[in-house]
Amino acid sequence: GESVGLHLPTLSVQEGDNSIINCAYSNSASDYFIWYKQESGKGPQFIIDIRSNMDKRQGQRVTVLLNKTVKHLSLQIAATQPGDSAVYFCAVRPNFGNEKLTFGTGTRLTIIP
Amino acid sequence: NAGVMQNPRHLVRRRGQEARLRCSPMKGHSHVYWYRQLPEEGLKFMVYLQKENIIDESGMPKERFSAEFPKEGPSILRIQQVVRGDSAAYFCASSPFGDQPQHFGDGTRLSIL
Repeated sequence: GESVGLHLPTLSVQEGDNSIINCAYSNSASDYFIWYKQESGKGPQFIIDIRSNMDKRQGQRVTVLLNKTVKHLSLQIAATQPGDSAVYFCAVRPNFGNEKLTFGTGTRLTIIP
Repeated sequence: NAGVMQNPRHLVRRRGQEARLRCSPMKGHSHVYWYRQLPEEGLKFMVYLQKENIIDESGMPKERFSAEFPKEGPSILRIQQVVRGDSAAYFCASSPFGDQPQHFGDGTRLSIL
């Protein structure tokens, strides 16, 4: 089965700096990857996704990088703001047609004013 | 455009009672997913349903747990004869069809006395 881990459980970043959150996965057949943000007491909020036929995708202030060779995924947040403080999860789909997502344990991002 | 709606937000049950958790997907979404989250952990897949059909229940315990998504009305996750270990946050997600991002509700926090 799939296992998904994150490299750091907590990350503190100065407001205005860039943040990078990393994620490793185990299944080379995984083809779809999603980053979610979860604030206290709320459900995961979709941030950005990427499919295995891409290695980079950009959104508003966020970039996801996918390295299939080493099975590694990262989320970059530019110019972090206090509202970015949350727990970030990567989620991985094991293969096309199998819609159950495997979530990592999460990285808690704290923005220092 | 309303998001995924879950109710109740908090549910307290005594051991041996039944818990019913409801989920109304986003408008136009016919695919529903249930996940469970323990404190300080990632979400764990339980079951994937389309209207009137269970597509994948590989993450759901074989006993005491059941899920349905009727033609009319919300999806229901039912836990019979609850035990202390059932205490968790239960999240529902929906998508318009497979191979699309899953969008989450804010969960039901189940506490077992």
